[in-house]
Amino acid sequence: QKEVEQNSGPLSVPEGAIASLNCTYSDRVSQSFFWYRQYSGKSPELIMSIYSNGDKEDGRFTAQLNKASQYVSLLIRDSQPSDSATYLCAVNWGSGNTPLVFGKGTRLSVIA
Amino acid sequence: SAVISQKPSRDICQRGTSLTIQCQVDSQVTMMFWYRQQPGQSLTLIATANQGSEATYESGFVIDKFPISRPNLTFSTLTVSNLSPEDSSIYLCSVGGERGTGELFFGEGSRLTVL
Repeated sequence: QKEVEQNSGPLSVPEGAIASLNCTYSDRVSQSFFWYRQYSGKSPELIMSIYSNGDKEDGRFTAQLNKASQYVSLLIRDSQPSDSATYLCAVNWGSGNTPLVFGKGTRLSVIA
Repeated sequence: SAVISQKPSRDICQRGTSLTIQCQVDSQVTMMFWYRQQPGQSLTLIATANQGSEATYESGFVIDKFPISRPNLTFSTLTVSNLSPEDSSIYLCSVGGERGTGELFFGEGSRLTVL
């Protein structure tokens, strides 16, 4: 059974702080990892992808992957109230166009 | 990424009726994926729709309840049959990225409320 685990939160951080979101997955044989942001009432929006161990930075976002520990994280620097949303971790255990398995999501609240 | 349009965006239906959701993509895609998101929950895959073959359903989802059509490479429909209040969810259509690197992109979703 392939599973993706996330702390449901809510995670509250003050504006300007670093938000750290964590995700673990059940099966080592995984190919690619994604973070989606979902605002209330909206569909998920892809914000980061990571495929190899280490860090990947894109603007205020940094994704971190540790395949040995089966762990992926998302850091949001200089958090803004507009970052308040649910963040979904997703894992692709196939290759190419195969479905993703999603975690339950972590609700982030950035307090002004 | 592809532009994915879903209709209807929301609907309120009576128990026992059916609702058909349409998904239109602005480019040809091999596979389309239908997900369900129940209130306060994450996304659960219902089925994978391949053009020219029967859809592949995940455990817990059956064709009689969730029939899917895939008449061409840009269009698919999901029908939710014999509706009950437990079917109240957001239904999402998704497709893979053009680079084939595993990411999925989603339509706006169809919010269904069953009374």
